[in-house]
Amino acid sequence: AQSVTQLGSHVSVSEGALVLLRCNYSSSVPPYLFWYVQYPNQGLQLLLKYTSAATLVKGINGFEAEFKKSETSFHLTKPSAHMSDAAEYFCAVSQYSDMRFGAGTRLTVKP
Amino acid sequence: DADVTQTPRNRITKTGKRIMLECSQTKGHDRMYWYRQDPGLGLRLIYYSFDVKDINKGEISDGYSVSRQAQAKFSLSLESAIPNQTALYFCATSGQGYQPQHFGDGTRLSIL
Repeated sequence: AQSVTQLGSHVSVSEGALVLLRCNYSSSVPPYLFWYVQYPNQGLQLLLKYTSAATLVKGINGFEAEFKKSETSFHLTKPSAHMSDAAEYFCAVSQYSDMRFGAGTRLTVKP
Repeated sequence: DADVTQTPRNRITKTGKRIMLECSQTKGHDRMYWYRQDPGLGLRLIYYSFDVKDINKGEISDGYSVSRQAQAKFSLSLESAIPNQTALYFCATSGQGYQPQHFGDGTRLSIL
C-alpha cells in the first residue's frame, strides 16, 4: 500500500533562511507525488507535482522538490524563506484510484 | 466565485443528530472526494466518486454516507453524529488519471 511519512511536524526557520521539509514515500509502483500548502482557514493548494518527467520539480512561490528513487524521498525546498511561507505543508502520493497524505509539517518563519 | 464550494463553513450540533455537508464544483471534473482532517493525522479519505454512478469507500467510511446527485454535487452525511466525528471536512475534485486535487475551503464540524 502507498503511504508517505513527513519527518517533523513543526519546522521553524528565520526569514531568508533555507526551507527544507522532508517527505519519504512508500509505493509498490512508480508513484505520482505532490506537495500541497494549506493556509489558515483555507483548503489545500497545489505547490508542485512529480509525474516522472523530471526528477527536479519546480513549483509556485519559489518552491522545488527533488525525487530520489534510491532514497524514496521527495523533499521540498526553498532557498530563502519569506514570512508569507508560514503555513502547513502536506506531501501526498497517488497510486491507482486515491491519494494518501502525510500528517503535515507546520512551517513557522521568524522575522 | 470559488471552483469548489462547501456548505456550511461551520456547524455545531449535538450527538445523535443527522448532518449533511454539501459540496458543489464548477471545474467540470468527474472525480470528487470527501476527506476529514484531524491534527497530526493529515487528511484521510472518507468516500470518493469517479462519476455520478460510481461511489467508493475510502479509508474511514464507517459512520458516513454520501450521495452524488449530479456531476457537480457530492454530499456527505453523518446519520447519527458522535463527538469523535468532530473535525475539519474537505471536499476535493480532480480530472482523469493522476491529476492533482482541487479543494474547497472546508467545513468545521463540532459535535457536542
